Amino acid sequence: GDSVTQMEGPVTLSEEAFLTINCTYTATGYPSLFWYVQYPGEGLQLLLKATKADDKGSNKGFEATYRKETTSFHLEKGSVQVSDSAVYFCALKRAGGTSYGKLTFGQGTILTVHP
Amino acid sequence: DAGVTQSPTHLIKTRGQQVTLRCSPKSGHDTVSWYQQALGQGPQFIFQYYEEEERQRGNFPDRFSGHQFPNYSSELNVNALLLGDSALYLCASSSPGVNEQFFGPGTRLTVL
Repeated sequence: GDSVTQMEGPVTLSEEAFLTINCTYTATGYPSLFWYVQYPGEGLQLLLKATKADDKGSNKGFEATYRKETTSFHLEKGSVQVSDSAVYFCALKRAGGTSYGKLTFGQGTILTVHP
Repeated sequence: DAGVTQSPTHLIKTRGQQVTLRCSPKSGHDTVSWYQQALGQGPQFIFQYYEEEERQRGNFPDRFSGHQFPNYSSELNVNALLLGDSALYLCASSSPGVNEQFFGPGTRLTVL
C-alpha cells in the first residue's frame, strides 16, 4: 500500500538557519504530493503541493520538488523564523485532479526554532 | 468565507459510550473526509463521503460510522468507545475536480 516516511525528529534550529525535512514515499502511479503544517492546538494547513514529476511547490519561503526518480519530496527553507515552529507533515494522494481519495500522511516532524 | 468548521471543540466520554462529531465543509465543497490523529502521530484516514454516500473507507472497525447530509455537512459516530479512541478527529473538505483537502480545527476526544 501507499506509505510516506519522514525524517526522524524533532528538528531544532536557530533563527535564520537553513531547513531541510526529508520525505520519501511509496505509491503506484503518479500521486500528488503535499506538505501540511500544524501549529499547536490547531488543525492542518496546506503549505504547498506538487502534482507531477519535477514540479516545484512553494509558499511562504518554503519549497519542495517532486522527484520521481528518488520518490522524494523534501521540504526546504533558506532562513527559518521562530514563527515557523510547528509540526510538518508530508502526504500523498492518488487520483490526482479529482476530489476522490484519501491522503496518506507521514508521522510528522516537529520543528522548533530558537531566537 | 468560513472555512471548515467542527463541533464540539473538546469532548470527554467514558468507555462504552457513543459519540457524534460534526463537520461543516468549506463553502462550495461537496466532499468530506474524516481522519483520526493520535497524539504524536500523523492523521489516519477513516472514510470519505460524497453525494451522501461513503465512497472510500480506511482500516477502521464498524464502530466508526458516518453520514453526510444534503447540505454536505457530515457526522462521525463512534460506538462502544475504547480508551484507544482518544485522539484529535479532523474533518477535511474538497471541491469538485480538485485534489486539495482543507482541514478543520479538529475535535479533541478523550475517553476515560
